Amino acid sequence: QITLKESGPTLVKPTQTLTLTCTFSGFSLSTDGVGVGWIRQPPGKALEWLAHIFWDDDKRYSPSLQSRLTVTKDTSKNQVVLTMTNMDPVDTATYFCAHTLYLLPDNWGQGTLVTVSS
Amino acid sequence: DIQMTQSPSTLSASVGDRVTITCRASQDINTWLAWYQQKPGRAPKLLISKASSLESGVPSRFSGSGSQTDFTLTISSLQPDDFATYYCQQYSTYSYSFGQGTKLEIK
Repeated sequence: QITLKESGPTLVKPTQTLTLTCTFSGFSLSTDGVGVGWIRQPPGKALEWLAHIFWDDDKRYSPSLQSRLTVTKDTSKNQVVLTMTNMDPVDTATYFCAHTLYLLPDNWGQGTLVTVSS
Repeated sequence: DIQMTQSPSTLSASVGDRVTITCRASQDINTWLAWYQQKPGRAPKLLISKASSLESGVPSRFSGSGSQTDFTLTISSLQPDDFATYYCQQYSTYSYSFGQGTKLEIK
C-alpha cells in the first residue's frame, strides 16, 4: 500500500523560505519510472503543479516558479523535500505530494495547509 | 505550456441523472489525460487514466473518452457520493497541467 504524508510549517512570514517534507512508504524512489510530484491548491481554487523528481534524480519545475523551487530526494529515508523561497501571501495553499508512475499522479498525500502572513 | 480548459465550471444535477464534463487541451496530448474527483478537505482521487482506463475500485458508472485535444468524463447515473469537484489533468509532458475544475452540485 502506497502512502505519502506532507510535513512542515503551517505558517510562514513573507520573504521566508518554505521547506516541506514528503515522507512515503510502499514504493521505492529508485524504481524505474517512479517519481514524486508536488502540487498545490490555494483555498477555493484549482490545482497547480509545482515540481517533480524522478527515480534517476531528474528534476522538473513549473516554468513560472522555477527560480524559487528546489526539490531533492533521500532514497534511504524515503523522503522528498521541496523548498520554495521568497514566500508571499499568494502562496497560501494546501501543498500535496503524490506518487507518480510515468508522470501520472496516482496516489496523493493528505496535503498540508501553509499560510503566508506576517 | 499546455492549457487545459474544462466546462462547465459548475453543473447542477439530480441523483440518477447522466452528466458529462468536457476538457479541452491547447495542443495534442494523445490520450495522456487523467480525471480526478476531489471532495472538500480531501486530496484528489484518481478516477481515470489514459483518457478511458478506469482505476481499480472506481464504479463503472464513471467513464472517459477522447483523444488528442477533446475529452469527456461521463457519469451514467449520479449517486449521492458523486457530488464533488472534478479535474482533468494532462501528463503528456513533464510540465503537466490541470483544468480549472467542475463543481458538481445537487439540483
